[in-house]
Amino acid sequence: GAGVSQTPSNKVTEKGKYVELRCDPISGHTALYWYRQSLGQGPEFLIYFQGTGAADDSGLPNDRFFAVRPEGSVSTLKIQRTERGDSAVYLCASSRRLAGSGELFFGEGSRLTVL
Amino acid sequence: QQQVKQSPQSLIVQKGGISIINCAYENTAFDYFPWYQQFPGKGPALLIAIRPDVSEKKEGRFTISFNKSAKQFSLHIMDSQPGDSATYFCAASRTRGGADGLTFGKGTHLIIQP
Repeated sequence: GAGVSQTPSNKVTEKGKYVELRCDPISGHTALYWYRQSLGQGPEFLIYFQGTGAADDSGLPNDRFFAVRPEGSVSTLKIQRTERGDSAVYLCASSRRLAGSGELFFGEGSRLTVL
Repeated sequence: QQQVKQSPQSLIVQKGGISIINCAYENTAFDYFPWYQQFPGKGPALLIAIRPDVSEKKEGRFTISFNKSAKQFSLHIMDSQPGDSATYFCAASRTRGGADGLTFGKGTHLIIQP
């Protein structure tokens, strides 16, 4: 596709449920990032992939959060035992080059609401 | 610890005026400083970026001024237009010695009044 695609665009779930959010980066982009944006805040870094491996997962808030990128393209962010505080917009971005050295292209985000 | 501090939180400017948004950073290892623009319901999009080897970069109506000694940088929007109304984020990252993701400021909600 022309840009970064994220699905679902909206997800409403109940506290304690499991959620998967998908990101399809721009073709050919080797770097992929997940960010979380709460209302009125800037994007908060969660995890960064270079190819298939997680190069930096220092932003994941706890072990309920996990992300994979098995074939170096599509990535899935997985949240177990969701809590109300997990409600936010989850943004995915991709880049042609290494982290910080090139433009990040963001998707429109997946809005997660935990009731 | 907030590594990138952005101000003001919100800003109202008359059409044709100059919009100025400021950011300060703490980590001296940062060496890439982009500004992103975000419209409601959309992801952030890169507006302009600078590296610390220059003090100013201009692209059209948008200018970044960078002060390495003060660890501050700012975005100037000249001849501001209603279409510039959006949320603006400054960011910073380290590109050498093990690159990491962008650290964003909290954002500035800019309104350009016609």
